[in-house]
Amino acid sequence: GDSVTQMEGPVTLSEEAFLTINCTYTATGYPSLFWYVQYPGEGLQLLLKATKADDKGSNKGFEATYRKETTSFHLEKGSVQVSDSAVYFCALSDRTLVFGKGTRLSVIA
Amino acid sequence: KAGVTQTPRYLIKTRGQQVTLSCSPISGHRSVSWYQQTPGQGLQFLFEYFSETQRNKGNFPGRFSGRQFSNSRSEMNVSTLELGDSALYLCASSLSGADLDYGYTFGSGTRLTVV
Repeated sequence: GDSVTQMEGPVTLSEEAFLTINCTYTATGYPSLFWYVQYPGEGLQLLLKATKADDKGSNKGFEATYRKETTSFHLEKGSVQVSDSAVYFCALSDRTLVFGKGTRLSVIA
Repeated sequence: KAGVTQTPRYLIKTRGQQVTLSCSPISGHRSVSWYQQTPGQGLQFLFEYFSETQRNKGNFPGRFSGRQFSNSRSEMNVSTLELGDSALYLCASSLSGADLDYGYTFGSGTRLTVV
């Protein structure tokens, strides 16, 4: 079946550093791709999405581009803040959402 | 508008007992999906209900079951609890489920601890 692989954490960065969280997927069709974020004690929130190849999703300074040739959807942010500390999940749509295992990000002031 | 409401937030049960968790979706949403989240396995899909019918099912034993009512509220039940059932159970709602392109709205979850 379809699957998502994302880099294992935790990732620890200083404030204003550049962030990349790698995500690759395996799918038989052409799924939509998502990044969700989970803050401590909360459920998941949709961060951004892309529905077809070469689409770029963006929100709150985060970006990810749907790359069909490399089956990737890497999450990037140019300058992270302490408030970005959370767990980030890459996901694809295959009748339901299929998630990666999550990457914990800690940003230090 | 109100978000997805899950009750209770925390639950402690003993091995062998059964438990029922509740989820009220966003008003107007007819699809409810359930996920189990554990540190080792991550987020695993349990099942999806749409218009009171189970439409998709994940790879969980029959001890895990669910249902959906006419007002779209959903419950999931776990019978004969095992220590490994300790997890955060998340509910997600969407208009029709098929609108995966727009993602789901998740509740804050029910933290189940089995002792």
